[in-house]
Amino acid sequence: GQNIDQPTEMTATEGAIVQINCTYQTSGFNGLFWYQQHAGEAPTFLSYNVLDGLEEKGRFSSFLSRSKGYSYLLLKELQMKDSASYLCAVSDANNRKLIWGLGTSLAVNP
Amino acid sequence: DARVTQTPRDKVTEMGQEVTMRCQPILGHNTVFWYRQTMMQGLELLAYFRNRAPLDDSGMPKDRFSAEMPDATLATLKIQPSEPRDSAVYFCASATGGTTGELFFGEGSRLTVL
Repeated sequence: GQNIDQPTEMTATEGAIVQINCTYQTSGFNGLFWYQQHAGEAPTFLSYNVLDGLEEKGRFSSFLSRSKGYSYLLLKELQMKDSASYLCAVSDANNRKLIWGLGTSLAVNP
Repeated sequence: DARVTQTPRDKVTEMGQEVTMRCQPILGHNTVFWYRQTMMQGLELLAYFRNRAPLDDSGMPKDRFSAEMPDATLATLKIQPSEPRDSAVYFCASATGGTTGELFFGEGSRLTVL
């Protein structure tokens, strides 16, 4: 079957670093995405990884290990506005359908 | 500022009524998706189109849901008859169809069926 697992909730402190993990089991793989979704809003694209390694984009970085079926999103210098749900999604190799995790709700406290 | 536009933003209706949601994808995007989001199930793909042709609607209950794309600027999702279990936020998203696959989501239509 197809499955994506990520923690339901996480809490962190403003200014700190937090790592949100995602593990996946899918029949095919054409890349892994991270999206951010603030409460009551639409998901917005954060990152895309298709090769193993770390992709850095400002305060956010995303890592992928295809052999382990594992990814993480690293958020540095946390700000209050980073409080949101973070969704991990894997693209199916054949038709680019995205398989979504349920999201990790991150609360950033002062 | 290019964005995906969805209507209505909020809809409250009674069980058995027909509901139609509309989406205008970003100009030039040839792939359009309909998703449903609930707390329990997360984001579920209902249907998607490429160049206006339906590619996959396996996630959609066929007896009551239908999705169409009458032209490149309009996608519709219809529920007839609606049921309380259809209450959710329905998102439309569009993409260029390239390999990176970044989706641009509309603001969603929050449907409540009483």
